[in-house]
Amino acid sequence: AQSVTQLDSHVSVSEGTPVLLRCNYSSSYSPSLFWYVQHPNKGLQLLLKYTSAATLVKGINGFEAEFKKSETSFHLTKPSAHMSDAAEYFCVVSDSAGGGNKLTFGTGTQLKVEL
Amino acid sequence: SAVISQKPSRDICQRGTSLTIQCQVDSQVTMMFWYRQQPGQSLTLIATANQGSEATYESGFVIDKFPISRPNLTFSTLTVSNMSPEDSSIYLCSARQGHGYTFGSGTRLTVV
Repeated sequence: AQSVTQLDSHVSVSEGTPVLLRCNYSSSYSPSLFWYVQHPNKGLQLLLKYTSAATLVKGINGFEAEFKKSETSFHLTKPSAHMSDAAEYFCVVSDSAGGGNKLTFGTGTQLKVEL
Repeated sequence: SAVISQKPSRDICQRGTSLTIQCQVDSQVTMMFWYRQQPGQSLTLIATANQGSEATYESGFVIDKFPISRPNLTFSTLTVSNMSPEDSSIYLCSARQGHGYTFGSGTRLTVV
């Protein structure tokens, strides 16, 4: 069985300050991990993905995430927040069992960016 | 990566009626998925749809309520049947390509 826990339902940062969105996962097999962003009234957009290659994954718009197996974590970071980063962020896990087709979504973190 | 066109983007429906949502992919994909996102909540997988076989439903979802068609490798439909206000949600389709997944823009359904 696989699951993902997003530790914060809401995060608020000031523009220009670092962003940290926390995610812990549970998987019986080697997981693939993803971060998706959902802007209001928009579809889901893939930010980045980990699929057993480099543990530090760089994504779009300056985001990156580090896969830490010992901590079962896959936290999302960005050095400097921009107003346009305000959105809902989902951490997603897919394990390799049966071809790894089933995605399990976290409950989401709402990021607010203030001036 | 694949691009998915999903329609309608939104609809307001009377209780007891049915709505069919369509997803068209711009390339052939083996696996497609349907999700529900209830207000203020995360995405929940409804079913997996493979071309040429019956859809596989997750716990809590049944074919009579959410019939799915997958007639070819680029198209799928989800029907929400006999709707009630509790079915008011965003419904999204998704397609898998390699290690990645692409999502449609969603259908915002309101049942009155």
